[in-house]
Amino acid sequence: DAGVTQSPTHLIKTRGQQVTLRCSPKSGHDTVSWYQQALGQGPQFIFQYYEEEERQRGNFPDRFSGHQFPNYSSELNVNALLLGDSALYLCASSLGTGATEAFFGQGTRLTVV
Amino acid sequence: EDQVTQSPEALRLQEGESSSLNCSYTVSGLRGLFWYRQDPGKGPEFLFTLYSAGEEKEKERLKATLTKKESFLHITAPKPEDSATYLCAVQVSGGYQKVTFGIGTKLQVIP
Repeated sequence: DAGVTQSPTHLIKTRGQQVTLRCSPKSGHDTVSWYQQALGQGPQFIFQYYEEEERQRGNFPDRFSGHQFPNYSSELNVNALLLGDSALYLCASSLGTGATEAFFGQGTRLTVV
Repeated sequence: EDQVTQSPEALRLQEGESSSLNCSYTVSGLRGLFWYRQDPGKGPEFLFTLYSAGEEKEKERLKATLTKKESFLHITAPKPEDSATYLCAVQVSGGYQKVTFGIGTKLQVIP
C-alpha cells in the first residue's frame, strides 16, 4: 500500500517565478492538507482540501493556491515566489476532516534563489 | 489565537534514561491532540491522537497522556533509534480543519 507521495522531492526556483507541487494521498484517504515547514520550525498549516473544495486556510497570502482532483490528489501552487518561501512543503492525507490520524509525505524541498 | 508550546526544545538522554516531553496548549475547545515523530529531511510520522483529558495511549517505549491544559510524551528506557524531533499538534472543535503544530522537541539518545 503506497503511502502519501509528493513530487518533486527537490526544486530550485528563481524569485518571482511560479511553482506547482503535487501530492497523491494514501489509498482510501479523501482529504489533503498542505503545510509549510521552515528550518527548525514546526509545520504551518496552509490549507485543506476535501471534496475538491478548500475547507480552511491558514495565514498565507493569496499567492498560495491549490486544487484537489476527483481522484483526491492535490496540487499546491505558489505564484511570485519570494526568498522567504524557501521551505519544506508537506502534504498530509486523512480520511475525513475530523481529528483523525494524518499521514505525511516526504515533502518537497523548495529553494528560492 | 490557538497556541502550542513544547518543552524542552532539545533533550539529550543516555540510553535507558527515561524522561518526558511536554506540550502545553491554549485553544478555545480541543477536538484532538496529536503527537508525531520527525526524522531529519522526512515528513512527520503519526504516533498518537488523544481526544479528552485523562486519556492515555502507548506504543512500544512511548506513552502519551492528556490533561485539560497539556500533554506529556513519556519515553521509557529510550534507545538511540528513538532520536528524532517529536512534534505536538492540536485541532480545535467547532468545525475547523486547521491543525496547529508546536516547534517540536529534538531528542538525542546517546548509546
